[in-house]
Amino acid sequence: GAGVSQTPSNKVTEKGKYVELRCDPISGHTALYWYRQSLGQGPEFLIYFQGTGAADDSGLPNDRFFAVRPEGSVSTLKIQRTERGDSAVYLCASSLDRANEQFFGPGTRLTVL
Amino acid sequence: QQQVKQSPQSLIVQKGGISIINCAYENTAFDYFPWYQQFPGKGPALLIAIRPDVSEKKEGRFTISFNKSAKQFSLHIMDSQPGDSATYFCAASMQSGSARQLTFGSGTQLTVLP
Repeated sequence: GAGVSQTPSNKVTEKGKYVELRCDPISGHTALYWYRQSLGQGPEFLIYFQGTGAADDSGLPNDRFFAVRPEGSVSTLKIQRTERGDSAVYLCASSLDRANEQFFGPGTRLTVL
Repeated sequence: QQQVKQSPQSLIVQKGGISIINCAYENTAFDYFPWYQQFPGKGPALLIAIRPDVSEKKEGRFTISFNKSAKQFSLHIMDSQPGDSATYFCAASMQSGSARQLTFGSGTQLTVLP
């Protein structure tokens, strides 16, 4: 079956611009996570959705970051007024529920010039 | 404390050798310890995981050893193969509110020489 997909695979933008990153989880998975992976580091938690609601957004670095999951499936991570420090790979993971294994997508590599 | 410390940063072994990667954690509330394998351009993939009620778990060539009192756990890859060359991350998780986010180590880049 299809795994977690993320689009675009690469995104290059200029400082100050707005970007949207999309995640399509595995069908039927109710839990969805966003992580950020900087070069040479492990992924860091950003936000968790259970169904449509953001159940834990404690990892979002500041109010420029926002994520939605309006129908409990596809999620979009939105970054306003991008900064060079936002450059990283943004990973999405889904699981059957919060207690189960998280399956990761290939990530979106964001480069802010 | 949420940190998970991983070592070594990089590791080179000969084909057929044993690869050992170590991790240490501080938060005793962690109750799930997975290891992930990541190839370039791919997302992390679960390799093997352990809960603190057991001291060892083996799946094929991969073994996790867990020392609860020392707050340490390690991954052993027996008969290492060139196809095992990848970056390995340890992680830890606990129930936090309604979430179960993973806290990752900084990764170990493993190279297995043919």
